Amino acid sequence: DAGITQSPRHKVTETGTPVTLRCHQTENHRYMYWYRQDPGHGLRLIHYSYGVKDTDKGEVSDGYSVSRSKTEDFLLTLESATSSQTSVYFCATGRDWREKLFFGSGTQLSVL
Amino acid sequence: LAKTTQPISMDSYEGQEVNITCSHNNIATNDYITWYQQFPSQGPRFIIQGYKTKVTNEVASLFIPADRKSSTLSLPRVSLSDTAVYYCLVGVPMYSNYQLIWGAGTKLIIKP
Repeated sequence: DAGITQSPRHKVTETGTPVTLRCHQTENHRYMYWYRQDPGHGLRLIHYSYGVKDTDKGEVSDGYSVSRSKTEDFLLTLESATSSQTSVYFCATGRDWREKLFFGSGTQLSVL
Repeated sequence: LAKTTQPISMDSYEGQEVNITCSHNNIATNDYITWYQQFPSQGPRFIIQGYKTKVTNEVASLFIPADRKSSTLSLPRVSLSDTAVYYCLVGVPMYSNYQLIWGAGTKLIIKP
């Protein structure tokens, strides 16, 4: 598997606080993705990146921002966390947008 | 919005062949069909990918009819460790950019 590390693995925070999740990859993959997974919804794309400083919105991007200053790092920021953002967040990478994705182990985020 | 459709759940027994079908009416001409497997508390893992007809690897086969509006993942002689959620993934045109749309997943339970 591609070396994908998500940090933190678990996070509990309060409503209104900023939160940043980090995804680090060692495979030099061009594409990186942030997904959230909630019961009954499968995986939903939040944002993705197709290169350094090149990002675009996914289907559930409201309330989230991302940054990619280096090929290996993709950050997801919740500027002001809300309870509706309680979820499991997965980072994924891929060499090309059609090619298979490699996933991290996920971050369980709880917003109280 | 176009989406994929899979059965919500399936049951089978050890040693049986299991077939999971995914419908994807709006698949793009050049898109591939990919299946992923997910165990609890883990990120999805790539199983198999194909474009048309049949693809086989060491763990599964993928059958795609000529119209490509559906695909069937075939797991031969399943074991208890194949109990997982299986996702069908295709590229579907959305607005001016291709987005990857995940199905809701099929929860496969293998019984002894």
